[in-house]
Amino acid sequence: TQLLEQSPQFLSIQEGENLTVYCNSSSVFSSLQWYRQEPGEGPVLLVTVVTGGEVKKLKRLTFQFGDARKDSSLHITAAQPGDTGLYLCAGGLLLYNFNKFYFGSGTKLNVKP
Amino acid sequence: DAGVIQSPRHEVTEMGQEVTLRCKPISGHDYLFWYRQTMMRGLELLIYFNNNVPIDDSGMPEDRFSAKMPNASFSTLKIQPSEPRDSAVYFCASRRRDGYQETQYFGPGTRLLVL
Repeated sequence: TQLLEQSPQFLSIQEGENLTVYCNSSSVFSSLQWYRQEPGEGPVLLVTVVTGGEVKKLKRLTFQFGDARKDSSLHITAAQPGDTGLYLCAGGLLLYNFNKFYFGSGTKLNVKP
Repeated sequence: DAGVIQSPRHEVTEMGQEVTLRCKPISGHDYLFWYRQTMMRGLELLIYFNNNVPIDDSGMPEDRFSAKMPNASFSTLKIQPSEPRDSAVYFCASRRRDGYQETQYFGPGTRLLVL
């Protein structure tokens, strides 16, 4: 059983469309991270959110941390083929001043030109 | 900065053979992590080190897996003997703490296939 559930698992859309990816848990996290992974490469950190209700923007990507710090969403506006990849969320649980991150199952996004 | 370096990038071996995966973390990072990624289980943390000392190996599947970090610039993950169910992509990552930011950098991974 995954600590973090992501939905949808797969998403195939046309260039220019908007989309939202969700990351949900019953656990409260000290912080939450979003990564993008391209085929044959390791995940690359996009953003870290630490405060309940926090919203961060990265160009066309908007990240939100839930008020209760149990969930998060990633919204992409006007998706482009370059956004194609596997999106992973990771929740941090703080223990002895160290954040241990647990990864979600991922959302595989395909943006067609 | 070269980033996290892993070798080999691909490994094909037969069941029962010993496999050694290598990692060079980013200089100055004090945490090193080994992860395994499969379609079924996603990205799982196997073990992590702080200042070369193993801190949490609760994710290591069984005694066939072992990891070492003899110095700040090198770590190995060994599987002996290997089994087909060990087939996966193994990632090494390193992290430094900068205030409240904990940025983790992943290597390109080693794709392991055990026949």
